[in-house]
Amino acid sequence: NAGVTQTPKFQVLKTGQSMTLQCAQDMNHNSMYWYRQDPGMGLRLIYYSASEGTTDKGEVPNGYNVSRLNKREFSLRLESAAPSQTSVYFCASSDGLAYNEQFFGPGTRLTVL
Amino acid sequence: DAKTTQPPSMDCAEGRAANLPCNHSTISGNEYVYWYRQIHSQGPQYIIHGLKNNETNEMASLIITEDRKSSTLILPHATLRDTAVYYCILMEYGNKLVFGAGTILRVKS
Repeated sequence: NAGVTQTPKFQVLKTGQSMTLQCAQDMNHNSMYWYRQDPGMGLRLIYYSASEGTTDKGEVPNGYNVSRLNKREFSLRLESAAPSQTSVYFCASSDGLAYNEQFFGPGTRLTVL
Repeated sequence: DAKTTQPPSMDCAEGRAANLPCNHSTISGNEYVYWYRQIHSQGPQYIIHGLKNNETNEMASLIITEDRKSSTLILPHATLRDTAVYYCILMEYGNKLVFGAGTILRVKS
């Protein structure tokens, strides 16, 4: 099992450009999450998907959109990137919205110039 | 804001037990205590969680005080590979993790 995979690993954008971060999990998990981590800080939840077909905002959703494409895949889109979105983005999955451990991907390091 | 308080950093000698404290004085009855760690530049890794009772798994032990206002994560025999940021997190039903700054644990040979 690969667990949670994320693409790309690194990305540099110019202000105003758009891009989509991809996440996939092979653990048959119902719930998936997107976090961002700024230097020296803990992770903050951007969006989550409790199950296929549903998405909800987290703590810092502004400037992002998400799509739960199917049970395996959960993508994060930046429509018009801003320097404030320079961060490391982590995707995670869990078995559900109960008290379940989350499994994290390796992260995407995004720089917006 | 995170509802837990952890020391910013700690050092531990290799082979010794690492005891990481966490205060959560406003914990509610339905909140679990979770511990995750993040090794440099990697995604966080689940370690252990508990509600009231002490818990142990292959990685660590979790000691929760009787009043549930604080807890301690114990790595029984720390190795250099345990150097990481350790996060103590309170989780309600809904499974949304709220990360604080965590404790940087440095294991030294």
